[in-house]
Amino acid sequence: GEQVEQRPPHLSVREGDSAVITCTYTDPNSYYFFWYKQEPGASLQLLMKVFSSTEINEGQGFTVLLNKKDKRLSLNLTAAHPGDSAAYFCAVSVNKLIFGIGTLLSVKP
Amino acid sequence: EAAVTQSPRNKVTVTGGNVTLSCRQTNSHNYMYWYRQDTGHGLRLIHYSYGAGNLQIGDVPDGYKATRTTQEDFFLLLELASPSQTSLYFCASSEKRNTGQLYFGEGSKLTVL
Repeated sequence: GEQVEQRPPHLSVREGDSAVITCTYTDPNSYYFFWYKQEPGASLQLLMKVFSSTEINEGQGFTVLLNKKDKRLSLNLTAAHPGDSAAYFCAVSVNKLIFGIGTLLSVKP
Repeated sequence: EAAVTQSPRNKVTVTGGNVTLSCRQTNSHNYMYWYRQDTGHGLRLIHYSYGAGNLQIGDVPDGYKATRTTQEDFFLLLELASPSQTSLYFCASSEKRNTGQLYFGEGSKLTVL
């Protein structure tokens, strides 16, 4: 079945730096991709939903890239700030939704 | 106002104890889910349901029962709790099964001593 590998499990950056989180998946038929953000002590909130037909998706202060050839999904936070400190989870959907293990991002002032 | 609410938010029980976690959603969604979140594993699906009276087995169902009494209410039951079930449990709802956004509750922290 589908396998999703998320890296790195922990990431610490300085304010203003970029932060990149990557998920690789195995099933080429995967068609929906999600990034969720979980702030400390809080629930998961959807950051972005990506369709398999769109390779570059831009949000507020971040970009999501989908490389279908390499089966790689990445979240790039440009100019990270302390408010971005949270756990981030990717999720990949083929016939079921599979979550990555999560990345705990710390942004230090 | 929160559209998915869970109770209790924190629960401590002993091995062999009986625990019920409750979830209510006001999104009018058909699908509801119970996940457990553990470090190094991310979120793993325990059970899900697509309507009142329906129950589907997830990826880690052993030791758990669930019941969907109404469209709004989904319960997770641990009848003989074990320390391995110490975890953070999330309920979620969605309009569609795999293509739609999940709306999560606040989480229920369960500790089994």
